[in-house]
Amino acid sequence: AQSVAQPEDQVNVAEGNPLTVKCTYSVSGNPYLFWYVQYPNRGLQFLLKYITGDNLVKGSYGFEAEFNKSQTSFHLKKPSALVSDSALYFCAVRDGSGGGADGLTFGKGTHLIIQP
Amino acid sequence: DTGVSQDPRHKITKRGQNVTFRCDPISEHNRLYWYRQTLGQGPEFLTYFQNEAQLEKSRLLSDRFSAERPKGSFSTLEIQRTEQGDSAMYLCASSFMAAGNTIYFGEGSWLTVV
Repeated sequence: AQSVAQPEDQVNVAEGNPLTVKCTYSVSGNPYLFWYVQYPNRGLQFLLKYITGDNLVKGSYGFEAEFNKSQTSFHLKKPSALVSDSALYFCAVRDGSGGGADGLTFGKGTHLIIQP
Repeated sequence: DTGVSQDPRHKITKRGQNVTFRCDPISEHNRLYWYRQTLGQGPEFLTYFQNEAQLEKSRLLSDRFSAERPKGSFSTLEIQRTEQGDSAMYLCASSFMAAGNTIYFGEGSWLTVV
């Protein structure tokens, strides 16, 4: 079975400071990893993904994420936070080896609050 | 590309009634997914289709739930004899077939059972 852990329910960051939203995963095969963002009462918007290749992945709105195989982590980062980044962030995993469920398995989400 | 479209966006129904949600995926996407999201939780996988074939169903999908994708385009999710525990947001998503392809989500359909 595959799973995702987002250890922080909420992350508070001052505007202009760097931010990190943590994610660790468990999957039996090759991990395909995704980050999505959700604004209130809206669906999920895709930010970025890691499939293979460079461990540092760049995505939308200045976000990036670093894949660390030894630590089974895929933390989301941004060098300088904006108030408009305040939202709910979800990490998700899929087994790229063809085993397990085909659908994405999501973490519980992390509320990111950027303070002016 | 108009994105994944879901209808209705909000539905309030009395316990015991049947409800149906419709999803129109991104055109030419051959995979279509249904997820359920409750407050404070991440989306949970319910089922998915490849073209018109329903290939996988989660154990969360009780026999009161049925999903169809009759012509491999739009899909419907029906909940029969609704219960208060069915109150959630139902998310539809679509993608091309390869496992590394991005899954794109719609805006969701909120269901409130009273």
